[in-house]
Amino acid sequence: DAGVIQSPRHEVTEMGQEVTLRCKPISGHDYLFWYRQTMMRGLELLIYFNNNVPIDDSGMPEDRFSAKMPNASFSTLKIQPSEPRDSAVYFCASTLGGRADTQYFGPGTRLTVL
Amino acid sequence: AQSVTQLDSHVSVSEGTPVLLRCNYSSSYSPSLFWYVQHPNKGLQLLLKYTSAATLVKGINGFEAEFKKSETSFHLTKPSAHMSDAAEYFCVVNGDGTALIFGKGTTLSVSS
Repeated sequence: DAGVIQSPRHEVTEMGQEVTLRCKPISGHDYLFWYRQTMMRGLELLIYFNNNVPIDDSGMPEDRFSAKMPNASFSTLKIQPSEPRDSAVYFCASTLGGRADTQYFGPGTRLTVL
Repeated sequence: AQSVTQLDSHVSVSEGTPVLLRCNYSSSYSPSLFWYVQHPNKGLQLLLKYTSAATLVKGINGFEAEFKKSETSFHLTKPSAHMSDAAEYFCVVNGDGTALIFGKGTTLSVSS
């Protein structure tokens, strides 16, 4: 299995631009999670899906952030407009068997907003 | 409520010496506990997982952790550190089946 795939691995953009991060979960997994990692806040859960349906988006910082999962093999996290304080590493993770079971993480996308 | 506390933000050891990374948890239920490792510029990788079977859990790369209910601890150990062990380590708890709660991490440095 290829594991969780994220793209791009690095993204540099200017403030105000739209940013789209992509994730392909492990085939057969029914839960997908988006996390953000910063030095100040550590690892934060932003949103998670079960069977492509968003279950809990209480961690999404503001309306500028949105996430979709159009099918079982693809999810996006969009920031529009982006701000410098959005600079972070964004991780996608997936699991089979429950939102509190072992999660398998992708390599992350390092986002820098100038 | 559930929580997890990693008692050291940074641990430094010499290669070949033992590693001890400390973790305390709080949970109203019988928890599942995990240790994840994150190498620089990489995603998080599961080291080991405790789910109420044996209290001593063996993981990958020679790491193990012992669940001690009386002390509400789940410390991670390794008998002999290797340079490749230098990374960030996260203790994680699932106490009520709702979500994983991540600790703030411990940075392990290994010197030659």
